[in-house]
Amino acid sequence: GAGVSQSPRYKVAKRGQDVALRCDPISGHVSLFWYQQALGQGPEFLTYFQNEAQLDKSGLPSDRFFAERPEGSVSTLKIQRTQQEDSAVYLCASSNSNSNQPQHFGDGTRLSIL
Amino acid sequence: GENVEQHPSTLSVQEGDSAVIKCTYSDSASNYFPWYKQELGKGPQLIIDIRSNVGEKKDQRIAVTLNKTAKHFSLHITETQPEDSAVYFCAAMRGGYQKVTFGTGTKLQVIP
Repeated sequence: GAGVSQSPRYKVAKRGQDVALRCDPISGHVSLFWYQQALGQGPEFLTYFQNEAQLDKSGLPSDRFFAERPEGSVSTLKIQRTQQEDSAVYLCASSNSNSNQPQHFGDGTRLSIL
Repeated sequence: GENVEQHPSTLSVQEGDSAVIKCTYSDSASNYFPWYKQELGKGPQLIIDIRSNVGEKKDQRIAVTLNKTAKHFSLHITETQPEDSAVYFCAAMRGGYQKVTFGTGTKLQVIP
C-alpha cells in the first residue's frame, strides 16, 4: 500500500508479558517516528530513526521500551514486562527527509494491558 | 522543551458556519507548524501546514495563520460540513529537530 502500515491493529497482553509492534513506513521514507497516544490526548514523541540510526530516544518512558530499524525500513517497538500504564495507542509516522517535512501516520496499534 | 497549548478542547458549530481553533507555542526556535485531523480509530492525517516564513496559508475551506511574535497560530475552517467532525491537533517542530510536539486536541462537532 501507499501509506504507513502498522500491525497488529489491536493487541491484548497480560501484565508482565513482552509485546512487539511493527511499523512498515512509506517506501523510500528516510525518517521514522514512534508516538504514544493516551486516550483523549495528543500523540507524544517516543523515538526517531533516520535510516537505521536511532537519533533520538528521549521520549521512551523507561528502559522497558526498545525500538529498532535494522535495515532502515521496517521498525519494531518492543515493550518488555508490560505494565497497565503502557495501555495506549502506539502510532508510527514516516517522512521523506531529514529536515522539517510532513510526517505521515499509520492507524496505530491499540495496546491493552490486563 | 516545547509546549503547545490548544483551545478550545471541544467545539460545536452548525453546518455551514466557520470554526476556529487556536494554539500557542513556547519555543521561539519552532519553525514548522502542521495541523492534523484524527477520526475515530484512525491515525492523524495532515490537513495543512505552515512554515515560519509565511504568515498565512489557505487550501480551499481551510486556512492557517501564524503570528511568530506572539507565538500564536490558528486553524480556520469555513463552510463546515458534517464530515469535518473529528479531533484536530496543532503541532510544532523546532528547526533542525525531528521531534513534533502536539497540542491536546480539539473535538469538533458539526451539527447538520
